[in-house]
Amino acid sequence: GEDVEQSLFLSVREGDSSVINCTYTDSSSTYLYWYKQEPGAGLQLLTYIFSNMDMKQDQRLTVLLNKKDKHLSLRIADTQTGDSAIYFCAESIDNQGGKLIFGQGTELSVKP
Amino acid sequence: EAQVTQNPRYLITVTGKKLTVTCSQNMNHEYMSWYRQDPGLGLRQIYYSMNVEVTDKGDVPEGYKVSRKEKRNFPLILESPSPNQTSLYFCASSPYGQGSGANVLTFGAGSRLTVL
Repeated sequence: GEDVEQSLFLSVREGDSSVINCTYTDSSSTYLYWYKQEPGAGLQLLTYIFSNMDMKQDQRLTVLLNKKDKHLSLRIADTQTGDSAIYFCAESIDNQGGKLIFGQGTELSVKP
Repeated sequence: EAQVTQNPRYLITVTGKKLTVTCSQNMNHEYMSWYRQDPGLGLRQIYYSMNVEVTDKGDVPEGYKVSRKEKRNFPLILESPSPNQTSLYFCASSPYGQGSGANVLTFGAGSRLTVL
């Protein structure tokens, strides 16, 4: 069945790069997403990537997709304390009514 | 402002007392969905709707009902809540099916439900 896995915690120093990793099992994923959840708030889309791409860059964010290994990563350059949040990766499969399958979320803690 | 609005944001209730969590979106989205978030489990889909009068079960539909009588509203109904339905609930909507291949969800702020 479909499964998306993430490590639960990551701690970095302000100014360093953060890399959040995600693995998924379903090879028929069509899109992969990164969402951010700040305390007490809903999820906000950060970025998404189509499954036939291997990289997408958007300002401080870089998404890398290794389709062979079913591995997705989100790199945040020059991490700031405001980046502290929970980050969720998700996959969608086109023939399943647009359903998004989410990972458990990675809590990023940025220390000054 | 484009948004998804859920109410109530917080609710404490007792086992068996029917409750409804409302969800409304102002973006003319056809797709709407309910998720629950539990520690260590991420978000799991409860129900979704591709359009008015069209609803389908997600991964964890037991104990829940939904309706989609109007495009903007998608209430979640707990007919007889039980303690295992204590959770954080999110409603979301998207233009999925209206020309976009990606399902880019806009989430509400969440409703924290406690069932005693």
